[in-house]
Amino acid sequence: EDQVTQSPEALRLQEGESSSLNCSYTVSGLRGLFWYRQDPGKGPEFLFTLYSAGEEKEKERLKATLTKKESFLHITAPKPEDSATYLCAVLTGANSKLTFGKGITLSVRP
Amino acid sequence: DVKVTQSSRYLVKRTGEKVFLECVQDMDHENMFWYRQDPGLGLRLIYFSYDVKMKEKGDIPEGYSVSREKKERFSLILESASTNQTSMYLCASSLTSIEAFFGQGTRLTVV
Repeated sequence: EDQVTQSPEALRLQEGESSSLNCSYTVSGLRGLFWYRQDPGKGPEFLFTLYSAGEEKEKERLKATLTKKESFLHITAPKPEDSATYLCAVLTGANSKLTFGKGITLSVRP
Repeated sequence: DVKVTQSSRYLVKRTGEKVFLECVQDMDHENMFWYRQDPGLGLRLIYFSYDVKMKEKGDIPEGYSVSREKKERFSLILESASTNQTSMYLCASSLTSIEAFFGQGTRLTVV
């Protein structure tokens, strides 16, 4: 069974304090790994796709990286508007099953 | 822009009722998904479909069924609603191996 574990469950940062969110996975046949952001009461919003170990993607203050066992979402100099829940998901199987981790709730204090 | 539309934002139903949640996407995506999201449990996959009339069980299919008669529409059916099915339900669609796009969610309360 595919498993996706995100840590920590919650993270509180001061504005400007950089950190990393972890997503570790145990799957058979990874086809892709996705990062999403979710604001309260809304559907998840796509951030990044990573397909192979060593791949990196960047967008503003966020950078996602991938190894054979885990992915990191690095947040550089975060701002209060980066406060949200960050979700990691893995795509597996011939029929495109998409499995999510439980998410990491990030709070950035001004 | 990809648009995934769920028929209701909020629903209140009685125990034992048959409930239909509808999801429509406008981008000709092959794959569609239904998840439920509960505090502390994250998004859990109920069912997904990789083609018209094709479906696969996710991790928590018990008490649910689905229907995909047309490519753009994926329906989630609660055969006999129970209070433990009170949750936020999220629909998503994707092309194969490409990121999934989500609807805004339906908050279902079963009383």
